[in-house]
Amino acid sequence: NAGVTQTPKFQVLKTGQSMTLQCAQDMNHEYMSWYRQDPGMGLRLIHYSVGAGITDQGEVPNGYNVSRSTTEDFPLRLLSAAPSQTSVYFCASSYGQGAWNEQFFGPGTRLTVL
Amino acid sequence: AQRVTQPEKLLSVFKGAPVELKCNYSYSGSPELFWYVQYSRQRLQLLLRHISRESIKGFTADLNKGETSFHLKKPFAQEEDSAMYYCALYSGGGADGLTFGKGTHLIIQP
Repeated sequence: NAGVTQTPKFQVLKTGQSMTLQCAQDMNHEYMSWYRQDPGMGLRLIHYSVGAGITDQGEVPNGYNVSRSTTEDFPLRLLSAAPSQTSVYFCASSYGQGAWNEQFFGPGTRLTVL
Repeated sequence: AQRVTQPEKLLSVFKGAPVELKCNYSYSGSPELFWYVQYSRQRLQLLLRHISRESIKGFTADLNKGETSFHLKKPFAQEEDSAMYYCALYSGGGADGLTFGKGTHLIIQP
């Protein structure tokens, strides 16, 4: 199993550009989520999904869109990149919700917006 | 809103010394708490969760509801314990994700 994979590993964007961060998992997990990590900060939840076709907002959703058309994939779209979105982005998945479900994290995507 | 506080950005101890990484939380309900660890050039991974009362790699953590704390302890530190440690809280409602602390960088000196 590859676990949770993310592409790209690094990305540089100009202000106003759009792009999609890819996330995929091969563990048949229902729950997937996106976090961002800024220097000196903990991870903050952007969006999450409890299953295909269902998504919801987390703590910091503004400027991001998500969709979940399949169980495996959960892409994160930046509609119009801003310097404030410079961060490291982590995708995570788990079998279900709740405290017994270990979240498995991807390796992260380091995004810089100029 | 829930909050997780890790007061130490950096903690440096010598090999063989005891380690305690502090974590305090703020949450009005009944919390579920975790410690995640990120070793150099590896991805974030679960270390332990309080509901399973387990000891992983010699680490333990006890939930103290009176002090709203979930400190991570190990009696004898090893060099391979050097990593970033994050305390996280699962509240079970609303966004249904994890609320993370800012992390503590643990360095074990030889």
